[in-house]
Parts: sequence; structure tokens; C-alpha cells
Amino acid sequence: DGGITQSPKYLFRKEGQNVTLSCEQNLNHDAMYWYRQDPGQGLRLIYYSQIVNDFQKGDIAEGYSVSREKKESFPLTVTSAQKNPTAFYLCASSMDTANTEAFFGQGTRLTVV
Amino acid sequence: GNSVTQMEGPVTLSEEAFLTINCTYTATGYPSLFWYVQYPGEGLQLLLKATKADDKGSNKGFEATYRKETTSFHLEKGSVQVSDSAVYFCALRERSNDYKLSFGAGTTVTVRA
Repeated sequence: DGGITQSPKYLFRKEGQNVTLSCEQNLNHDAMYWYRQDPGQGLRLIYYSQIVNDFQKGDIAEGYSVSREKKESFPLTVTSAQKNPTAFYLCASSMDTANTEAFFGQGTRLTVV
Repeated sequence: GNSVTQMEGPVTLSEEAFLTINCTYTATGYPSLFWYVQYPGEGLQLLLKATKADDKGSNKGFEATYRKETTSFHLEKGSVQVSDSAVYFCALRERSNDYKLSFGAGTTVTVRA
């Protein structure tokens, strides 16, 4: 089955630790995205990538980092510099055209204690 | 810049009631428009889309028409069910170099039996 997979579904980390969220897709999509969702709020774009080895900051990139070494993979690292990292993180991918929709993973709920 | 404004929720309805969720947008060009649905603890799923003016997207009894003159893409369903309880997001994708998706804040809909 083609799709986009995020892991793990739930993640707990201590304050001050970096943590990496995994996102893999087998849809042969060029573009991949990371969004953050807070309770009762919409989706805010963290980073996006339109092609391997290239990515751009979204609206709330501070305290996050990404890499795009393979077309299939777009991991997100939440660093200790992120002031309020507890949130629901969503990864998405799409063809790089305006007419096509994005496909979303099931999300990772990160809790920092 | 691009933006999407959705009617604020939460919205609570009885089964078989008519549902409308308003969505208006601001864009520099001619975007594609989408409605996504999110069930509790899950990622987003595409509900319907429209890629040009006067297009009507439809799926699972939901409909939305791309109105360029009013920059709107309102979601409607004639008779809701309990299973339609979810968060609904309006989104646009600009025909520009980056094809970024911009989302509204989401509208929580609860349908009671």
C-alpha cells in the first residue's frame, strides 16, 4: 500500500533533549511538509522541501531542523531551542503541482516533560 | 500573502440537520482549494477539492463550489450523521514557485444523535 508513515505515534522526552520524528513516504512525491498543530488551533508550517537536498523554512521554523537526503524521507528534529515543543506534529507529501492534494501521515504526539 | 479564514466553531448539530461551514480566502493568483477532515487523534484526510473557478467538489454527501467572485469555498452537507463529527479544515494551494498549502484554523463539528 502506498502512503505516508510517521513514527512513533506517541513520544515522550525530557526537557532539554533533542528528539527526531520520522516521516517516510512511498508515493514518489517530490514535496514534503512538516506542520505543527496545537489544541484548538490550525496547522502551522514548520519546514517544507520540494526536492532532495533542498528545504525551506516555514512560518515557525525556529527551534526545529530537517534534512532531505532521500526522496522518501523527511525527518524533523525538535531541538532544545524550541521553547514549547509539546504538540501534535503532522507530516505531509504531495506532487509538486498546484492542482494536487497533500497526503498526511497519522501524526506524532510529542510530550516534553 | 495567502490566507484562509474559516467560520469559528465549535458547531453542534442534531443528526439529519443541514451543515454549512464558511470559508473565504485571500490569494495573489488563482489557487486550488481543498477541504480536509480530521478525526480525533488522526492525520488529515482530503474530503474534496476544486481547482478552478465554478468547479464543484463533492464527496460523501459534502459539496463545495469555488466562487472566485466572492473568494469563497463554503462546505455544505444536507443531512449530517454522528459519524461526521470531526474537525474540518479549508485550505488553498497557490500556483506559484513553492505550491505551499495554507490552512484555515479548523472548525470542530459535533453531531448528536
